[in-house]
Amino acid sequence: ELKVEQNPLFLSMQEGKNYTIYCNYSTTSDRLYWYRQDPGKSLESLFVLLSNGAVKQEGRLMASLDTKARLSTLHITAAVHDLSATYFCAVDSTASKLTFGTGTRLQVTL
Amino acid sequence: NAGVTQTPKFRILKIGQSMTLQCTQDMNHNYMYWYRQDPGMGLKLIYYSVGAGITDKGEVPNGYNVSRSTTEDFPLRLELAAPSQTSVYFCASIPKGTREQYFGPGTRLTVT
Repeated sequence: ELKVEQNPLFLSMQEGKNYTIYCNYSTTSDRLYWYRQDPGKSLESLFVLLSNGAVKQEGRLMASLDTKARLSTLHITAAVHDLSATYFCAVDSTASKLTFGTGTRLQVTL
Repeated sequence: NAGVTQTPKFRILKIGQSMTLQCTQDMNHNYMYWYRQDPGMGLKLIYYSVGAGITDKGEVPNGYNVSRSTTEDFPLRLELAAPSQTSVYFCASIPKGTREQYFGPGTRLTVT
């Protein structure tokens, strides 16, 4: 059974600081996703990581994938308040089913 | 949301009642999914379908049923609603040529 663990579960950080969210998964997969969810809203796709060593960047967010370690990271650079949200990683399996982590609630304070 | 629509947006049910959550996409997507999200948690897969007439169970199927008589519609049926089914339900589909899921806006269900 595929298990996906994220840490930390909650992250309070000051504007301008850097931090990393970690996503570990238990079985081999060739595809990992990062989503953002604002309170009361649906999920917004941030990144799709397809292969070992993949790195993608969008603004202050950068995601990477190490398939050998079964680890993905989401790095936040110089956080701003607008990044406050919950971030989920999800791992792809047969029939493109997704197994989600429990999420990291990010709160960026002034 | 890539054209995935869900109805209703909100619903309150009494214990033992039944209802159908609707999910529709008009882009001829084959793969469709139903997830539930409990407060403070990630999404869990209830059922999925890889095409009309084909459905299969996900991680948490108990208490739910689905059908896929057309490519466009993938309704989720709750029989004998229970408080444990209080959750937000998301439908998702995959555009052809990709493997990335796009999520509908969700249905917030409360069972009391």
